[in-house]
Amino acid sequence: DIQMTQSPSFVSASVGDRVTISCRASKGVSKRLAWYQQKPGNAPNLLIYAASSLQSGVPSRFSGSGSGTQFTLTISSLQAEDFATYYCQQTDIFPRTFGQGTKVEIK
Amino acid sequence: EVQLVQSGGGLVNPGGSLRLSCTASGFTFPTHTMTWARQAPGRGLEWISSIGGFTSVYYAESVKGRFTTSRDNAKNSVYLQMNSLRADDTAIYYCARDLTPGTTGWFDPWGQGVLVTVSS
Repeated sequence: DIQMTQSPSFVSASVGDRVTISCRASKGVSKRLAWYQQKPGNAPNLLIYAASSLQSGVPSRFSGSGSGTQFTLTISSLQAEDFATYYCQQTDIFPRTFGQGTKVEIK
Repeated sequence: EVQLVQSGGGLVNPGGSLRLSCTASGFTFPTHTMTWARQAPGRGLEWISSIGGFTSVYYAESVKGRFTTSRDNAKNSVYLQMNSLRADDTAIYYCARDLTPGTTGWFDPWGQGVLVTVSS
């Protein structure tokens, strides 16, 4: 199985801050990586697919980069509605695997 | 509007069975891989199974041999039959659609989730 490791596990940030979340795969997955946002009590929501493609309807302050084993999700200017937990997920092989999550909290 | 509506969660005794359903609308159902994932209380996301448009099915090791995924393309529905349930199967279960036809692994949208509680 491909292990996905996110860092950090928690981010304390203020509105307007630039936030960067990293995701490392234990084996190369090319660009077959997705990012999801999950708010308490809700299902996950796809933000980024194919490592850097913005899903329709997702604000442009979200961006993704990377390939192989190292990936990054960036929120350029954090908004109040962005406080949530973020997960990366590899889609290269089965079993699909998720990172452990990064919780973005209000400072 | 693309939508997934789930049903079938609840409380079940250890060793018992439960069947979850997920009914889709707003897209050409047979062309998309469908996936089940779960989230234990306070924990992260865990992929458990995906089923392609016709016959290919994949399972996580944690559920292989106990859970069975199937689909009825005529009813735009996918099912998760869960047998020999254990306490560590307690979770919110989600169905999700692959974003584009075929098997891409990008999940969008997700169903609303149903809670399965395994306890005596």
